[in-house]
Amino acid sequence: QLVLTQSPSTSASLGASVKLTCTLSSGHSSYAIAWHQQQPEKGPRFLMMFNSDGSHNKGDGIPDRFSGSSSGAERYLTISSLQSEDEADYYCQTWDTGIWVFGGGTKLTVL
Amino acid sequence: EVQLVESGGGLVKPGGSLRLSCAASGFTFSSYSMNWVRQAPGKGLEWVSFISSSSSYIYYADAVKGRFTISRDNAKNSLYMQMNSLRAEDTAVYYCAATVAGHDYWGQGTLVTASS
Repeated sequence: QLVLTQSPSTSASLGASVKLTCTLSSGHSSYAIAWHQQQPEKGPRFLMMFNSDGSHNKGDGIPDRFSGSSSGAERYLTISSLQSEDEADYYCQTWDTGIWVFGGGTKLTVL
Repeated sequence: EVQLVESGGGLVKPGGSLRLSCAASGFTFSSYSMNWVRQAPGKGLEWVSFISSSSSYIYYADAVKGRFTISRDNAKNSLYMQMNSLRAEDTAVYYCAATVAGHDYWGQGTLVTASS
């Protein structure tokens, strides 16, 4: 079964960097994923689509502070030079034969 | 610019029906598959349904199978979700979403509340 696992929450200081992790279930380590940001009281916003070979597509207007990487079944979203507006929920998402699967989301608190 | 605008949400009694719409613009709607995704209050994102560009392939989450029907009208650049036999647990913001040229796009969402 295709499952994405994310830590429920994390925190980091203003100006620092943070690395969020999304883990693909066994047998699905080659799947591409997308990262979405959801700021408080807003709808989701597409950040990037990231393939296991490292290639990626960023969403419109997404700053260079947001980057993706991967290792095996793990996909990472790194946010550098954290700003207050980065405080949000971050969801990873993948797909298989038309079905979308979301991770549970990571709540990022900027201290 | 890709735009997705949902409408049709509202308050409905459990067991009732509602039809959501999503108006698309800024891309060749007829060439791309579409999805509905929902978010219950205080919860994460949950995929609801998928429809391929020509409506040949349709999939539903188990939670809505048999009660919800997705459809599209490519001539009107519109996506729909007919929701029947609504339950309290269907209460959520419903988003339409599309993947266009490797980018995902989201609407602003429409709130559906199933409550007596």
